[in-house]
Amino acid sequence: QSVLTQPPSVSEAPRQRVSISCSGNSSNIGNNAVNWFQQLPGRAPKLLIYYSNVLPSGVSDRFSGSKSGTSASLAINGLQPEDEADYYCAAWDDSLNGYVFGTGTKVTVL
Amino acid sequence: QVRLVQSGAEVKKPGASVKVSCRTSGYIFTSYHINWVRQAAGQGLEWMGWIDPDSGNSGYGQKFQGRVTLTTDTSISTAYMELSSLKSDDTAVYFCARGGAIFGDYWGQGALVTVSS
Repeated sequence: QSVLTQPPSVSEAPRQRVSISCSGNSSNIGNNAVNWFQQLPGRAPKLLIYYSNVLPSGVSDRFSGSKSGTSASLAINGLQPEDEADYYCAAWDDSLNGYVFGTGTKVTVL
Repeated sequence: QVRLVQSGAEVKKPGASVKVSCRTSGYIFTSYHINWVRQAAGQGLEWMGWIDPDSGNSGYGQKFQGRVTLTTDTSISTAYMELSSLKSDDTAVYFCARGGAIFGDYWGQGALVTVSS
């Protein structure tokens, strides 16, 4: 079962901005970094953000991450058709002594 | 370049065990952890456990304690995930993912395990 809560879906027109929330608690997001992953249909997840707000090399700067307290957010600026995918947050959980994932959010480009 | 290449699809009967491999290249195998994550059809990602190829230390998700065994063979830079006492709801795609300082910076392509009588 997922410990981190995300909205099931978000949708927006091309070139607009979307934001995806990820809600946790003091054992996970509140005390550890958050990673964000993009998963295209039938593909392995791809790292988008690590340490809550750092972009890996090669990831478009249209993606950005932030964290405040026990919540984190992923923003996608200038939405493009190829951004249609599932997005997951993840963080280490000190109580469970393991990683936990978010419930996942499907992004649709209208 | 960094690559994680997993073994192929498997079909197993309930009660059996499955062992999935994750062959790595392009980096120093003992410098990074390997994590295992699974995903049932149409469902989200579920973390199973991690292993440090250097020390052999490992950790497992509570749901998988006692049923999953993670190992590595440093001579061939390969990690293994063995899941025993398979049930139908273990049917999923199993991914390996590099970890350590950065969780999930590289992933294997996934291996479908189907449990069916």
